[in-house]
Amino acid sequence: DTGVSQNPRHKITKRGQNVTFRCDPISEHNRLYWYRQTLGQGPEFLTYFQNEAQLEKSRLLSDRFSAERPKGSFSTLEIQRTEQGDSAMYLCASSSPAGPSTGELFFGEGSRLTVL
Amino acid sequence: KNEVEQSPQNLTAQEGEFITINCSYSVGISALHWLQQHPGGGIVSLFMLSSGKKKHGRLIATINIQEKHSSLHITASHPRDSAVYICAVFETSGSRLTFGEGTQLTVNP
Repeated sequence: DTGVSQNPRHKITKRGQNVTFRCDPISEHNRLYWYRQTLGQGPEFLTYFQNEAQLEKSRLLSDRFSAERPKGSFSTLEIQRTEQGDSAMYLCASSSPAGPSTGELFFGEGSRLTVL
Repeated sequence: KNEVEQSPQNLTAQEGEFITINCSYSVGISALHWLQQHPGGGIVSLFMLSSGKKKHGRLIATINIQEKHSSLHITASHPRDSAVYICAVFETSGSRLTFGEGTQLTVNP
């Protein structure tokens, strides 16, 4: 597998439940990004990891959201006590050590969350 | 005002037409990406630009750093080009990409 993999692709949950998404980046990529996209909008930045360090978090990432990348490889994004407003596509992207300023950015297929 | 603005928001063309999508940004950048998103969510990187012009098949992307403007051109458009095209900039001040809202392109046969 040479691409960015995200699981699950679709998640339907009831309000108040916790959900977790996983992203497996391209193996040699040390930079990993999480974005959220709602219908008709461009992706919005959530958080960024370089190796296992979470270097930047958006204000969009409320205290119900947490992201980890424990070994600098795969990452998880957990949403606790989901709300209907959390319904969106959650996108993961990775890039090489050179970063998206000099190299390409590769996206996963996304994880679509629907909160009922 | 968004830091990255695209125009038009929606574009419908007939097969074979020449298409231009524009992107203007208000921040200092080190690179600009043009991305393609098909229904279902998958995003593919088309170009990464820091200056000048790049061409790949029927796609051409240009950037004018001084004017903070980039264009994506599609020559001899085809229905399979129908997708959302997104401009994203990598800001010099940080580590994130900031995205435009996308241009929905529909090419009719």
